[in-house]
Amino acid sequence: DGGITQSPKYLFRKEGQNVTLSCEQNLNHDAMYWYRQDPGQGLRLIYYSQIVNDFQKGDIAEGYSVSREKKESFPLTVTSAQKNPTAFYLCASSTYSNTLNQPQHFGDGTRLSIL
Amino acid sequence: RKEVEQDPGPFNVPEGATVAFNCTYSNSASQSFFWYRQDCRKEPKLLMSVYSSGNEDGRFTAQLNRASQYISLLIRDSKLSDSATYLCVVTAFNAGNNRKLIWGLGTSLAVNP
Repeated sequence: DGGITQSPKYLFRKEGQNVTLSCEQNLNHDAMYWYRQDPGQGLRLIYYSQIVNDFQKGDIAEGYSVSREKKESFPLTVTSAQKNPTAFYLCASSTYSNTLNQPQHFGDGTRLSIL
Repeated sequence: RKEVEQDPGPFNVPEGATVAFNCTYSNSASQSFFWYRQDCRKEPKLLMSVYSSGNEDGRFTAQLNRASQYISLLIRDSKLSDSATYLCVVTAFNAGNNRKLIWGLGTSLAVNP
């Protein structure tokens, strides 16, 4: 079955630690995205990538880093510089075109908490 | 004014009822529109795209009103399983000519037996 796989489902971070969230898709989608969702807030874009070896900052990129070495994979690192990392992290992918009519499909998310 | 606004609800309706949600957007250049549903502590799932001529998928009907800058979602014959948060998404190009998605905060629906 095609889809987006995020791991782990739950993750705990210690003070000063970097952690990496995995996102893999086998939908052959060009574009991939990382969002964070906090209670009572909408989805906020962290980073996105439209093609391999290229990515762009979203609205809240500070304290995060990404890489896009393969089309299928778009890992997100939450660095120690991110002072409030507790949130629900969602990875999404879509085909990319200029017609703007391509919806995004999501993985089932990673819940990150501070120890 | 927020770029995308939704009534947070909650909308409490009995099974079998018809319920409608609206979502207003501020950017008149917006070009694509979607409704997603999100269950508690789960990821958003695409419910339907919204086309200019309106579109229907079973009990769900989506409409776009460009003049008044809103989209709507109508659910007929509500089921208990329709209980969720419904997210409105609007796309447009940003200043750098890159696609930008704008997510609403969602409308909560509770269908009661």
